[in-house]
Amino acid sequence: IVLTQSPGTLSLSPGERATLSCRASHSISSNQLVWYQFQPGQAPRLLIYSASTRATGIPDRFSGSGSGTDFTLTISRLEPEDFAVYYCQQYAISPKTFGQGTKVEIK
Amino acid sequence: VQLVESGGNLVQPGGSLRLSCATSGFTFINYAMSWVRQAPGKGLEWVSGISGNGGSTFYADSVKGRFSITRDNSENTVFLQMNSLRDEDTAIYYCAKDGTWREAPAFFNYWGQGTLVTVSS
Repeated sequence: IVLTQSPGTLSLSPGERATLSCRASHSISSNQLVWYQFQPGQAPRLLIYSASTRATGIPDRFSGSGSGTDFTLTISRLEPEDFAVYYCQQYAISPKTFGQGTKVEIK
Repeated sequence: VQLVESGGNLVQPGGSLRLSCATSGFTFINYAMSWVRQAPGKGLEWVSGISGNGGSTFYADSVKGRFSITRDNSENTVFLQMNSLRDEDTAIYYCAKDGTWREAPAFFNYWGQGTLVTVSS
């Protein structure tokens, strides 16, 4: 399954809403899709699993939605620490595959 | 939960390298473990995974026959033996703990900070 993320880069200001898209080449069964956050110099962090369930300790400004082939990660109000690269990944079919990432940068 | 990778280095094409990932903070034997890599300027690629008891192993086609994943459940450590290394294996290699109780890798709820492998003459 090929995952295509858009946009490649999102330029926003703190406090704004971020909407990231992940589109799959084939339907992903049982919403087996996750979102990760990558920050330079830090271990990657799991944000969302099963398309819409927040991982342990993830603030509620992060939310996931979608089903089938179209999935969305929304950050309701960007905090300074949210500027990072975000990846989606499907775990329905082997091999597990990732999107190419969306960079959320400060405008 | 902590995962700490080691073993990354500069190696010539055709050479070998062994990566280690020491873990703590969870019941190691209960979870599959994986290696995921990111080549410079590229996206993420799942490389290999191993079931909790070590009885099942899984590989990406790009490394099958060259890489071997093992684990030592007495030392809470997972390894990646990389042979016949190629330029395209150059990447940061991350160790990752599975987020489910499945035998096969699914998604990853904890990651290490990565170790850099550079394959170059």
